[in-house]
Amino acid sequence: DGGITQSPKYLFRKEGQNVTLSCEQNLNHDAMYWYRQDPGQGLRLIYYSQIVNDFQKGDIAEGYSVSREKKESFPLTVTSAQKNPTAFYLCASSSQDLGLQPQHFGDGTRLSIL
Amino acid sequence: GNSVTQMEGPVTLSEEAFLTINCTYTATGYPSLFWYVQYPGEGLQLLLKATKADDKGSNKGFEATYRKETTSFHLEKGSVQVSDSAVYFCALLVYQGNQFYFGTGTSLTVIP
Repeated sequence: DGGITQSPKYLFRKEGQNVTLSCEQNLNHDAMYWYRQDPGQGLRLIYYSQIVNDFQKGDIAEGYSVSREKKESFPLTVTSAQKNPTAFYLCASSSQDLGLQPQHFGDGTRLSIL
Repeated sequence: GNSVTQMEGPVTLSEEAFLTINCTYTATGYPSLFWYVQYPGEGLQLLLKATKADDKGSNKGFEATYRKETTSFHLEKGSVQVSDSAVYFCALLVYQGNQFYFGTGTSLTVIP
């Protein structure tokens, strides 16, 4: 079945440590997204990529970095510069011909600080 | 600016009750409107959408009508089930600049 796979489901980070969240899709979608979800808030866009080797900052990109070396993969690195990284992170994808509307979401990664 | 405002939850209903989750928006131009559902421990799934005024999106018994005059896209279901318990997000896509905005989500719990 086609879909988006995020791993790990739960992730713990020590202070000052960088961690990378994986997102893989086999839907052949051009666009991929990373969102952050906090209690009582909507989803906030961190980064998005419409094509391989290109990505754009979203609303809250500070303290995060991404890469898009392959169409199927869009890993997110939470750097030590992100002061409040504890959140639920969602990866999404969409096909370009339907505009920038996230169509498929992964099951998320919950990041916590030790 | 562009934004989405949803009714605050949590909402608790008995099985077979009628559901309304209010959503209003502010947007430049003519946005498309969406409802997403997030079941416990999962990512979001697109539930329904409407791309122009007076369109009605529907799926799995849920409906929402794009009302330009009231800038609303309220989600309704005539008879909810326990399996409908989830968080529901209203969202809009503004084509100018291709910006996508989510509401804060409304948690629904349906009790038998």
